[in-house]
Amino acid sequence: GQNIDQPTEMTATEGAIVQINCTYQTSGFNGLFWYQQHAGEAPTFLSYNVLDGLEEKGRFSSFLSRSKGYSYLLLKELQMKDSASYLCAVRDMRDTGFQKLVFGTGTRLLVSP
Amino acid sequence: DAGVIQSPRHEVTEMGQEVTLRCKPISGHDYLFWYRQTMMRGLELLIYFNNNVPIDDSGMPEDRFSAKMPNASFSTLKIQPSEPRDSAVYFCASSLVDRGNNQPQHFGDGTRLSIL
Repeated sequence: GQNIDQPTEMTATEGAIVQINCTYQTSGFNGLFWYQQHAGEAPTFLSYNVLDGLEEKGRFSSFLSRSKGYSYLLLKELQMKDSASYLCAVRDMRDTGFQKLVFGTGTRLLVSP
Repeated sequence: DAGVIQSPRHEVTEMGQEVTLRCKPISGHDYLFWYRQTMMRGLELLIYFNNNVPIDDSGMPEDRFSAKMPNASFSTLKIQPSEPRDSAVYFCASSLVDRGNNQPQHFGDGTRLSIL
């Protein structure tokens, strides 16, 4: 099976930078997704990594190291609206149809003024 | 464009009753997923369909749970009989055929289910 670990909770200040880590264990890695989920709402897609390196999208960047089973989501210039849970999800090519995602339990980020 | 549409948004019922959750995926999407989210266990995949055919139902907790997809624009998740431990938020998601494996899943707003 797969094991995905993320910190449960983080706090940061408006305008700062925060890095949310995700470590995973899988023998058939086939991509990692980050989702954002505001309280009471649906998860929304943020980023996708399948090759090593950094993917940048505006204030958000995601990094992957396949050899280390490690990813992080970097949020710059934090805004109050970034307070949400951030979910790391891994796809394993051994799973039927390659479409199955396994989600971590999420990191709840609280941004304070 | 309309996203994934789920109904009802909230459901409160007594244990032993049948519960039916509904989902309309994004038009043209080939995959449909049913998830359950709780504080303790996070987001768990229950079952997913490709072109209306169930592909993997290994996450369905027990025989009380069943899911169908009679056509490309509609799916149901049924719990019969319901139990208090089934209380959770149930999400439906859909995605396109993923030749490059990078198509994200798009989630509906979820159904918040409470079994008393």
